[in-house]
Amino acid sequence: ETGVTQSPTHLIKTRGQQVTLRCSSQSGHNTVSWYQQALGQGPQFIFQYYREEENGRGNFPPRFSGLQFPNYSSELNVNALELDDSALYLCASKTASTDTQYFGPGTRLTVL
Amino acid sequence: SQQGEEDPQALSIQEGENATMNCSYKTSINNLQWYRQNSGRGLVHLILIRSNEREKHSGRLRVTLDTSKKSSSLLITASRAADTASYFCATDGGTGGGADGLTFGKGTHLIIQP
Repeated sequence: ETGVTQSPTHLIKTRGQQVTLRCSSQSGHNTVSWYQQALGQGPQFIFQYYREEENGRGNFPPRFSGLQFPNYSSELNVNALELDDSALYLCASKTASTDTQYFGPGTRLTVL
Repeated sequence: SQQGEEDPQALSIQEGENATMNCSYKTSINNLQWYRQNSGRGLVHLILIRSNEREKHSGRLRVTLDTSKKSSSLLITASRAADTASYFCATDGGTGGGADGLTFGKGTHLIIQP
């Protein structure tokens, strides 16, 4: 088990709503990344935060946004939910000087 | 988009046998990592191999990397029922720091028959 925690475990929303997912980084990790994993697919990189600033982003629209707090915990916000946003959302943390990412258990989002 | 492609998509073997999974990728990399995922939950990091390394071992795991062929393999020796999971390779193509994120393949689903 890694020290990365995510909440909630499961979430059901309807199309058009907004959602906030939360992640608590492993102790000592100042970098957090978010990934979306659709059923039967590998995770896809959404963005990364370092020292409260977004410093990398994958091919996701602006309605996917995030925050990182001074304690290095993080939020993923998704506005105007679409059916295709249904997926497992994973956060991962690491230190800035290492390459290994440690993943949390994920939040399963279902959009109806 | 997915950069890596794992092969095979699914693999079923008897407990005690060795399991080999392959991964191919398209662009140059800084490092390549293998992860395990049980039943759609979080990913567990298994091993990282850098672009200047050719082989790495960790317990029952052996990873090789051939940058000229843009491919990697993961060998699990003496498989156990607990090894049943999906295995993903992930490439880090950036200059370090991970700001470009990891690029994952679709994974190999490994089933160990008791």
